Amino acid sequence: DAEITQSPRHKITETGRQVTLACHQTWNHNNMFWYRQDLGHGLRLIHYSYGVQDTNKGEVSDGYSVSRSNTEDLPLTLESAASSQTSVYFCASSDSGASDTQYFGPGTRLTVL
Amino acid sequence: QKEVEQNSGPLSVPEGAIASLNCTYSDRGSQSFFWYRQYSGKSPELIMFIYSNGDKEDGRFTAQLNKASQYVSLLIRDSQPSDSATYLCAVKNSGGYQKVTFGTGTKLQVIP
Repeated sequence: DAEITQSPRHKITETGRQVTLACHQTWNHNNMFWYRQDLGHGLRLIHYSYGVQDTNKGEVSDGYSVSRSNTEDLPLTLESAASSQTSVYFCASSDSGASDTQYFGPGTRLTVL
Repeated sequence: QKEVEQNSGPLSVPEGAIASLNCTYSDRGSQSFFWYRQYSGKSPELIMFIYSNGDKEDGRFTAQLNKASQYVSLLIRDSQPSDSATYLCAVKNSGGYQKVTFGTGTKLQVIP
């Protein structure tokens, strides 16, 4: 069955370190998204991609970067982790067809000390 | 004004009752509307999507859309304790291709 996976599921890091969160989907979807979810803010879009070599900034992109070298993967990098980036991160993907439905990965809980 | 607004709840209903969850949105050109369910500590999972004005039913769930009033709702009939979760309303905006804006969610508690 097609799925979307994220790794690691839990990560503790220190301020200033570079961190990369992995996202892998086997849906063969063109579109991939990274969100963070915090109490009181809901899901906020960090970066998104509509295909290989395409990346776009979302509403909370400062301090984050992504690259898309193939259809299946969209890794999210925190260049220099800050305590404000402690959050739960969700990756999602969707097809370019009519449904527009986004399917979510299981999430990564990141703590920056 | 938030683009997608939901009452945070909690909304408490007795088992077997109808739960009514509401959502309003600001982008009048929005085309697609989604309801996701999120259990505590889990990722959002799609319940239903709706594109056209009116009702769409799937089992115990009914989504209702009124574009003129910029209002979308989710009804859950015969509510079960297993329905206790946070329900997220999501709206595909008219401007951003494939971009979706999520509400902050309504927490539903079904009391046995």
